[in-house]
Amino acid sequence: AQKVTQAQTEISVVEKEDVTLDCVYETRDTTYYLFWYKQPPSGELVFLIRRNSFDEQNEISGRYSWNFQKSTSSFNFTITASQVVDSAVYFCALSANYGGATNKLIFGTGTLLAVQP
Amino acid sequence: ETGVTQSPTHLIKTRGQQVTLRCSSQSGHNTVSWYQQALGQGPQFIFQYYREEENGRGNFPPRFSGLQFPNYSSELNVNALELDDSALYLCASSPLFPVGLAYNEQFFGPGTRLTVL
Repeated sequence: AQKVTQAQTEISVVEKEDVTLDCVYETRDTTYYLFWYKQPPSGELVFLIRRNSFDEQNEISGRYSWNFQKSTSSFNFTITASQVVDSAVYFCALSANYGGATNKLIFGTGTLLAVQP
Repeated sequence: ETGVTQSPTHLIKTRGQQVTLRCSSQSGHNTVSWYQQALGQGPQFIFQYYREEENGRGNFPPRFSGLQFPNYSSELNVNALELDDSALYLCASSPLFPVGLAYNEQFFGPGTRLTVL
């Protein structure tokens, strides 16, 4: 079975604070991909990052950074110096590539991030 | 913008009716996936179409059906609408789908918000 858990339903921070969104996943596949998406109030899913199961290097992109740890099955997302524009729902997702048979995404329930000015 | 378009943007139907949602995939993509996102939840995989045939299905009843056309655009049909079908319906298109380890990135459209009264 495959599952993604985002235990934090809502997080509220004040602008310029750092915030970490947690993601824990379950899969028996050895080859898989992990994702983070942002969903603003408009509803469209905005792709942020994809990592494959063979690459545990942390990644930094501007104010965003991701920490992938296979030992704890976690793929956490940190926003440094948060801004009001970061307010959105953030989804963690998992895809196991069944030899190319399908690339369906399994999403967590999302974390609503509210950044107060 | 991803180049994936969906129509209509919003739709209101009554229980028992039938609805058709449309998705135009990004140029060069031959795979379309449909997801249902209920309020406060993460998107859930409905099914995927590859080269006009269903290629994987989630846990949805048969009254959810789909089509893919030669130009790779797609329709999602829902019969006998129920109140719980109220949701944001997202489609995602993928590029050419060779078997292998490379992940075939999905590009999401803006969604169709369906309300069933």
